[in-house]
Amino acid sequence: NAGVMQNPRHLVRRRGQEARLRCSPMKGHSHVYWYRQLPEEGLKFMVYLQKENIIDESGMPKERFSAEFPKEGPSILRIQQVVRGDSAAYFCASSREEVRNTEAFFGQGTRLTVV
Amino acid sequence: GDSVTQMEGPVTLSEEAFLTINCTYTATGYPSLFWYVQYPGEGLQLLLKATKADDKGSNKGFEATYRKETTSFHLEKGSVQVSDSAVYFCALGRSNTGKLIFGQGTTLQVKP
Repeated sequence: NAGVMQNPRHLVRRRGQEARLRCSPMKGHSHVYWYRQLPEEGLKFMVYLQKENIIDESGMPKERFSAEFPKEGPSILRIQQVVRGDSAAYFCASSREEVRNTEAFFGQGTRLTVV
Repeated sequence: GDSVTQMEGPVTLSEEAFLTINCTYTATGYPSLFWYVQYPGEGLQLLLKATKADDKGSNKGFEATYRKETTSFHLEKGSVQVSDSAVYFCALGRSNTGKLIFGQGTTLQVKP
């Protein structure tokens, strides 16, 4: 059973471009979470999705950021018009149930660098 | 709101030394508590967890006890190895939400 797969592992974008980060959850997992890790900081929650639904987006910046988890295919975190401050590691996690009752498995992350 | 505070690192120890990484939390009610470990270049792996007060989570020689009276969940290991070198994150989670609240992480370096 493959783990949580994120791609790309490393992404370089120029200011103003769009960044698309992909996350394929573990087989059988329908709960997906995105976190951002800024340099020298812990992970900050961004958004929690179930298939085709956004459950909690309280950690998402109001502008330029969006996330989806379609019925088929991976979850996508999209950052439009990237700025230097978006440079960070973005981690995706998935779980079979709500995270309190079961383990959330993390991917290896996508390291975004905005130049 | 909920928050988690960890001791600052890096923590540098010699092999076979005793490890304590402090973690305290602020939350109402009864959250679940977790320790995650992140090895270089990798994602986070769940190390151990506790879901109610006085529970002790343990794995790979690591232990942590959920202390509601002191709002703490300190990580301990009796004898560390070089392979334990990593970043350790304390986290808090609630029922009916996928959100984990992480501490800032503590880097552990174990020297032979």
